[in-house]
Amino acid sequence: DGGITQSPKYLFRKEGQNVTLSCEQNLNHDAMYWYRQDPGQGLRLIYYSQIVNDFQKGDIAEGYSVSREKKESFPLTVTSAQKNPTAFYLCASSISGGGPDTQYFGPGTRLTVL
Amino acid sequence: GNSVTQMEGPVTLSEEAFLTINCTYTATGYPSLFWYVQYPGEGLQLLLKATKADDKGSNKGFEATYRKETTSFHLEKGSVQVSDSAVYFCALSDPTNAGKSTFGDGTTLTVKP
Repeated sequence: DGGITQSPKYLFRKEGQNVTLSCEQNLNHDAMYWYRQDPGQGLRLIYYSQIVNDFQKGDIAEGYSVSREKKESFPLTVTSAQKNPTAFYLCASSISGGGPDTQYFGPGTRLTVL
Repeated sequence: GNSVTQMEGPVTLSEEAFLTINCTYTATGYPSLFWYVQYPGEGLQLLLKATKADDKGSNKGFEATYRKETTSFHLEKGSVQVSDSAVYFCALSDPTNAGKSTFGDGTTLTVKP
């Protein structure tokens, strides 16, 4: 079955540590996205990538970094510079980044920084 | 910039009641409009979409019509079930902005038996 996987589902880290969230898709989609979701709020775009080896900052990129070395993978690193990293992180993909495409979401990773 | 405004929640209904969740948008281009649903602890999944004015999206008894004149995309269902309890997000995708999506804040629906 095609889809998007995110791992782990729950992640705990100490303050000051970097942490990398995994996102893999086997849908053969060109575009991939990372969102942050806080309680009672909508989704805020962190980074997006329309094609391999290229990515763009979203609305809240500070304190985060990404890479897109393979079409299937778009890992997100939450660095120690992110002031309030505890949140639910969602990865998504779409066929391309330039049209009215449906986004397909992974199950999310809940990050808690202690 | 683009924005999506959803009716504030939470919304609590009895089973078989009529549902309306309001959504209005602001966009510079001609966006596509979406409703996504999120069940507890999960990611979002597409419920329905419409890509041009006067289009009606429908799925699982839910409907929404793209109204350009009122910049709205209200979600409706004639008879809700307990299993419809979830968070509903209205979103737009702007083809003039690299297809980036803008999401509303979500509306939590609880249906009681």
